[in-house]
Formats: sequence, structure tokens, C-alpha cells
Amino acid sequence: GENVEQHPSTLSVQEGDSAVIKCTYSDSASNYFPWYKQELGKRPQLIIDIRSNVGEKKDQRIAVTLNKTAKHFSLHITETQPEDSAVYFCALPPVDQAGTALIFGKGTTLSVSS
Amino acid sequence: NAGVMQNPRHLVRRRGQEARLRCSPMKGHSHVYWYRQLPEEGLKFMVYLQKENIIDESGMPKERFSAEFPKEGPSILRIQQVVRGDSAAYFCASSLEMRSYNEQFFGPGTRLTVL
Repeated sequence: GENVEQHPSTLSVQEGDSAVIKCTYSDSASNYFPWYKQELGKRPQLIIDIRSNVGEKKDQRIAVTLNKTAKHFSLHITETQPEDSAVYFCALPPVDQAGTALIFGKGTTLSVSS
Repeated sequence: NAGVMQNPRHLVRRRGQEARLRCSPMKGHSHVYWYRQLPEEGLKFMVYLQKENIIDESGMPKERFSAEFPKEGPSILRIQQVVRGDSAAYFCASSLEMRSYNEQFFGPGTRLTVL
């Protein structure tokens, strides 16, 4: 089945710096790549997603890039702010199963210090 | 437009008791997913349901766990004879359609503590 690996597990940056989180996957047929943000004690919330027919998508300070050949996708956060501190999860749906339940990476704890 | 609702938000049970977790999907959503999150870990898929049907329960333990999504009312995740290892946050999510690129909206979760 599909497998997704996420790195790094923790990331500490200074306010204003950029942060990059990367996920690799195994099934080349994967076609949808969402990123979720989970603040402490809160629910996961979708922050950005990308389909397999584009290589990059940007929404203000966050962007996602996709490299289908290398089978990895990355989350980029520019000009980080303390409120960006959270756990970020990449996810993708399994391509060989009936439902659209998501397979999540293990998460990256981002800490932005001011 | 209320989002995904879950109750209770916190549930404490003693070993051997039953836990019932409820999830009401967003209005108009007919697909419900249950996930479990252990402390400092990612979310693990448990079960996917549509109204009155279990579509995929490949992530659910074979014993003690069951789920339903009746024609009327919320989806229920039931854990019988709870053990300490069941302590976790249980999230449900709902989506509008069964397509691989449909956004899943998460509820606030139920934090189960087994004493």
C-alpha cells in the first residue's frame, strides 16, 4: 500500500525565516496532496493542497511544490510568524482503496520564535 | 453553517467500560471518516462510512471496536471493554463526495482517557 514519510519531525526557526517540510511517497499514481495544520489541542485544518497536474501552488505565505518524478512534495512557509507554530501533516489518499481516507505523515512540529 | 461536531469532547472511562463517541458531519456531507491520534503521533485511519454502510474498516482493530452511521442521527464509534492503550484523541472528518481530491473537514475530536 501507499506509504508517506515526512521530514523533519521538528523544526525551529526565527520569526521571519522560511520553513520547508518535505514528504515522500511510494505510489506514483497518487494524484492529490493536501497539507494540514494542527494547533495544540485543536483539530487538523487544511491549509493548502495540490493536484498532480500542477507543479506548484501558492497562497500568500504558504506554497506547495510537487515533484512527481522524484515522488515528493513540500510545504514552504515564508516570513514565518509565531502563529505559524503548530504541527503540520502531509497527507494523501490511497490509490488502491475504495474510500478516500487519508494517509498522514507523522507530522512536523514547527516552532517559530520571536 | 456548523462544522463537523463531535461529542463528548473529553471522555474518561475505567478499564473494561464502554466508550461511545459521536460525530455529526457537516450539513450535506454523507461521507464520514474516523481517525485515531496517539500522543505526539500522526492521524491513523480507522474506518470510512456512508449512510448505513461501512465502506472501509481496514484501519479498525478487529475486536472491541465498531462503527455505524445510521440513516438518522450521528455516526457512532464504539469501543467495548476499553484498555489503557485506547487512550487517544479520536477525530472524525466528513466530505461531500467520494473523490480522491475532496477536502475532508475535521471535527474538534474526542479525547478519551482510560484509567
